[in-house]
Amino acid sequence: DADVTQTPRNRITKTGKRIMLECSQTKGHDRMYWYRQDPGLGLRLIYYSFDVKDINKGEISDGYSVSRQAQAKFSLSLESAIPNQTALYFCATSDLGPAGVTDTQYFGPGTRLTVL
Amino acid sequence: AQTVTQSQPEMSVQEAETVTLSCTYDTSESNYYLFWYKQPPSRQMILVIRQEAYKQQNATENRFSVNFQKAAKSFSLKISDSQLGDTAMYFCAQTGNMLTFGGGTRLMVKP
Repeated sequence: DADVTQTPRNRITKTGKRIMLECSQTKGHDRMYWYRQDPGLGLRLIYYSFDVKDINKGEISDGYSVSRQAQAKFSLSLESAIPNQTALYFCATSDLGPAGVTDTQYFGPGTRLTVL
Repeated sequence: AQTVTQSQPEMSVQEAETVTLSCTYDTSESNYYLFWYKQPPSRQMILVIRQEAYKQQNATENRFSVNFQKAAKSFSLKISDSQLGDTAMYFCAQTGNMLTFGGGTRLMVKP
């Protein structure tokens, strides 16, 4: 079974709808992340969480919110979806490395979201 | 702020040959890790190789190796004996408290 899972894998929705993307992990990591990838570009950080009670905004948090329901679960919501939120969304998890900073991030398979 | 720059948007290489992908980064942090991730058409993000910045020895994973030049803040990826399955987007990334990605290099391996 995959260590980091995302649901749904694909979603088509309409402008103005509320959408929730879910992420679960079995790696036992405290740190979880949501990224967005636009075509031909790298990943940009939306939100991150270092433990259940810790939520932080990333580079592009406007229009998004998150919920950390448990160590293993981290959800991303689009309260009112708009077409320029059409993108590939990745969840990732990581541990704290020996150097005292974030170590390798392990990614889910991604959710392709289309907002019409 | 951290920045990661990949100056080669696209590259191609013949099967069985060697190719090097470039990456430079900028950080004020003393402790960090550097990574190369591969994203094939399946869109999965796959870890290729990891380098601990406090180690001088260059990381190696089978056909993949890095040239880590800490003073120059350079972190290039060498792929030896290129295979068709190496065709993908390659992202250089750096962590401090979070991961910062470069813009990617699209690598095409030609038969």
